[in-house]
Amino acid sequence: QSALTQPASVSGSPGQSITISCTGTSGDVGSYNYVSWYQQRPGKAPKLMIYDVIIRPSGLPNRFSGSKSGNTASLTISGLQAEDEGDYYCSSYRGSGTLVFGGGTKVTVL
Amino acid sequence: QVQLVQSGAEVVRPGASMKVSCKASGYTFTGYYMYWVRQAPGQGLEWMGWINPNSGGTKFAQKFEGRVTMTRDTSISTAYMELNGLKSDDTAVYYCARGGSSYRNIGFDPWGQGTLVTVSS
Repeated sequence: QSALTQPASVSGSPGQSITISCTGTSGDVGSYNYVSWYQQRPGKAPKLMIYDVIIRPSGLPNRFSGSKSGNTASLTISGLQAEDEGDYYCSSYRGSGTLVFGGGTKVTVL
Repeated sequence: QVQLVQSGAEVVRPGASMKVSCKASGYTFTGYYMYWVRQAPGQGLEWMGWINPNSGGTKFAQKFEGRVTMTRDTSISTAYMELNGLKSDDTAVYYCARGGSSYRNIGFDPWGQGTLVTVSS
């Protein structure tokens, strides 16, 4: 099962906006509005940032937003802050009760 | 608060089995799917499977079919994941994570703290 495709790294200066892409196929991202995003800091468990493509869990800053177009989902971080550094993973439902993760993107705040 | 607490780190021999537990608290255990995800050192996240704590129904990633078992004990709100025939590339941190009320709800929150399993002779 091939993973979803994410850029290996994305960087930006404090205050800037960055976007992380997550490219799948018509069998996963393109067919279902069940895409989630996770932030993982070193040595920690992942943290849910976005689910169902666009929904932010309560308490999460609205600097984080999700979207989808065709087979590609995206996570945008606006007003980048130092605390946003970490690895970000997307995941998508793939039908028949299965799901798949992306390979991960390292976000660096310059 | 909603919390998942996993069992401690293990060192296991190649060919042996390991079993990780995940104790849930702060919510109705049978109301949410439980997922298992692993992460090899320096690598990304890999979905292993899920269990419906209400029915006991399971679904596994094809890669783990025949080698993994997921069970639960509703009396103590605990899920278990057992992996057999361990190889060195099974060395990883294993996470449990709470899903939604349907297997399509793949927003996992919260996650357990992770259990490091090292396969070594």
